[in-house]
Amino acid sequence: AQKITQTQPGMFVQEKEAVTLDCTYDTSDQSYGLFWYKQPSSGEMIFLIYQGSYDEQNATEGRYSLNFQKARKSANLVISASQLGDSAMYFCANSGGSNYKLTFGKGTLLTVNP
Amino acid sequence: SAVISQKPSRDICQRGTSLTIQCQVDSQVTMMFWYRQQPGQSLTLIATANQGSEATYESGFVIDKFPISRPNLTFSTLTVSNMSPEDSSIYLCSGKQYNEQFFGPGTRLTVL
Repeated sequence: AQKITQTQPGMFVQEKEAVTLDCTYDTSDQSYGLFWYKQPSSGEMIFLIYQGSYDEQNATEGRYSLNFQKARKSANLVISASQLGDSAMYFCANSGGSNYKLTFGKGTLLTVNP
Repeated sequence: SAVISQKPSRDICQRGTSLTIQCQVDSQVTMMFWYRQQPGQSLTLIATANQGSEATYESGFVIDKFPISRPNLTFSTLTVSNMSPEDSSIYLCSGKQYNEQFFGPGTRLTVL
């Protein structure tokens, strides 16, 4: 079974600053994937970044990077140079084994202040 | 990346009726899933939509309540049957392509 924990219900950041959103996971699978999604108030789920458990390099996608610490079972999302449009709910999720089903955390509401 | 569309985008329905939600992907995906997001909550997996066979349901979800079809690699439907106000949620379909999973825009369902 998969479990995702996001301990920050809400976060605030100043525009142009960097912010880290925390995510820890628990899994018994040897092979798994970690995902981050952004959900603005419109409700759509926007895929941001993926990290495979066997990937040696931390994943990066533009201003998003995933700080993957396998021994600590953490997969924190780092957003650099925050923009007002980054204000949204952010969900961490993982998939395990071969079923690819996603288990989501409760989310972190990020507010970017001007 | 795959682009996923859903119809309808929102609906308001009466208790006891049923609603069918359509999900269309613009390219082939290996797997399709249906999720539910209740108000103020995270996403919960309803089922895996299997092409040409019965869907695989998660604990707490049954076929009689949420029948699912997937006739081909790019299309699936979810029906919410005999609706009650507790079914008011956002319903989202997703598709897996390589290591990534993409979501449709969701269907906001309100049951009166």
